[in-house]
Amino acid sequence: GAVVSQHPSWVICKSGTSVKIECRSLDFQATTMFWYRQFPKQSLMLMATSNEGSKATYEQGVEKDKFLINHASLTLSTLTVTSAHPEDSSFYICSAPQLAGGEGDTQYFGPGTRLTVL
Amino acid sequence: DQQVKQNSPSLSVQEGRISILNCDYTNSMFDYFLWYKKYPAEGPTFLISISSIKDKNEDGRFTVFLNKSAKHLSLHIVPSQPGDSAVYFCAASALGTASKLTFGTGTRLQVTL
Repeated sequence: GAVVSQHPSWVICKSGTSVKIECRSLDFQATTMFWYRQFPKQSLMLMATSNEGSKATYEQGVEKDKFLINHASLTLSTLTVTSAHPEDSSFYICSAPQLAGGEGDTQYFGPGTRLTVL
Repeated sequence: DQQVKQNSPSLSVQEGRISILNCDYTNSMFDYFLWYKKYPAEGPTFLISISSIKDKNEDGRFTVFLNKSAKHLSLHIVPSQPGDSAVYFCAASALGTASKLTFGTGTRLQVTL
């Protein structure tokens, strides 16, 4: 299957600092990518849709000024957590859809980034 | 408002037997469904999908059944193997494709020897 990478795989930062997470589709182009967050023992929650060449669209309740998304190319989307606080500590996962039509459609997920804010 | 629910948080099955994981949804606009397998601290791995125009899709050991009238889908794994032990998530989209997914709460499957 297609490969999506994320970097870094884990990061520890101090409260108030900003952290950038990169998501790359390695062997296919993605005009759209998605960012999810997973808290311990909970489900994945969609945060935002990253659109190449245009603004990201955010789900209800997600602060767009706190979670800055940039989709600079067809293979790269970045999520920047600005002024991070301990409550932002979570597992962040990106995904990219591969739309082949019909049941060939799927989203491929990156390995995730564990963010810990001290 | 949990639109996709997996009512069994855990399931234990003996190796070689069938594993049946269930998923219920409330949003009648959902028309594309996927199952993912996930290990801790890793991203989900795609298993199988189904669109609302079908009621069954099969891929190797994995079969997904969709009952639109009951808003219910299930994943059958047969035969179950120890390597299948993981958390399984169902996901749904209202866009007819694998886009903007709403995930279920997950079911932890343990396949015992």
